[in-house]
Amino acid sequence: QLQLQESGPGLVKPSETLSLTCTVSGGSISSSGYYWGWVRQPPGKGLEWIGTIYYSGTTFYNPSLKSRVTISADMSKNQFSLKLRSLTAADTALYYCAKREYGRSFEFWGQGTLVTVSS
Amino acid sequence: DIQMTQSPSSLSASVGDRVTITCRASQGISSWLAWYQQKPGKAPKSLIFAATTLQSGVPSRFSGSASGTDFTLTISSLQPEDVATYYCQQYNSYPLAFGGGTKLEIK
Repeated sequence: QLQLQESGPGLVKPSETLSLTCTVSGGSISSSGYYWGWVRQPPGKGLEWIGTIYYSGTTFYNPSLKSRVTISADMSKNQFSLKLRSLTAADTALYYCAKREYGRSFEFWGQGTLVTVSS
Repeated sequence: DIQMTQSPSSLSASVGDRVTITCRASQGISSWLAWYQQKPGKAPKSLIFAATTLQSGVPSRFSGSASGTDFTLTISSLQPEDVATYYCQQYNSYPLAFGGGTKLEIK
């Protein structure tokens, strides 16, 4: 069974860069047709798609975050990562990594990691 | 960009009731729509993909339908364990987009 696990700091200072990693087990991130994504959820609010990396390495970003976001993958470690720059309090959220296949929903999700932006 | 408008934002119903949640896309998305259920403190769970296809293991009381740019999630007979927030999501094109969510409670 595929499992995803987010890791990273729980507290980050304003203006700094957030780095999160999603470690995948039970499957390979280089498998054809898979999309690996990041979704966040501010406390008490709805879901926001951040971006996705395709198995080939192609990336897609939310235009509202595009100037601050980079998603990359490390095939050797079976991990993909999120970097979000120039943080503000508005970036405080639960960050999820997730996986989908072409034509399907995000079927597998990590448990989420809470990131608080505060000095 | 495609916007997803979900209604209602909250809903209270009795056990055994038929419940309907609607999602409207701002432009055509074919059938590339998913529904998720999120319980407090948990990650979202996929219920339906491709507008009408039930994810494996999801109870058959959940169903999805589509008509043009309007999509519906129906729970045929509400159960206490269905208390959750439900989200739609389009994946026809980037940027992917979620609806605002519907919080479902038991009356």
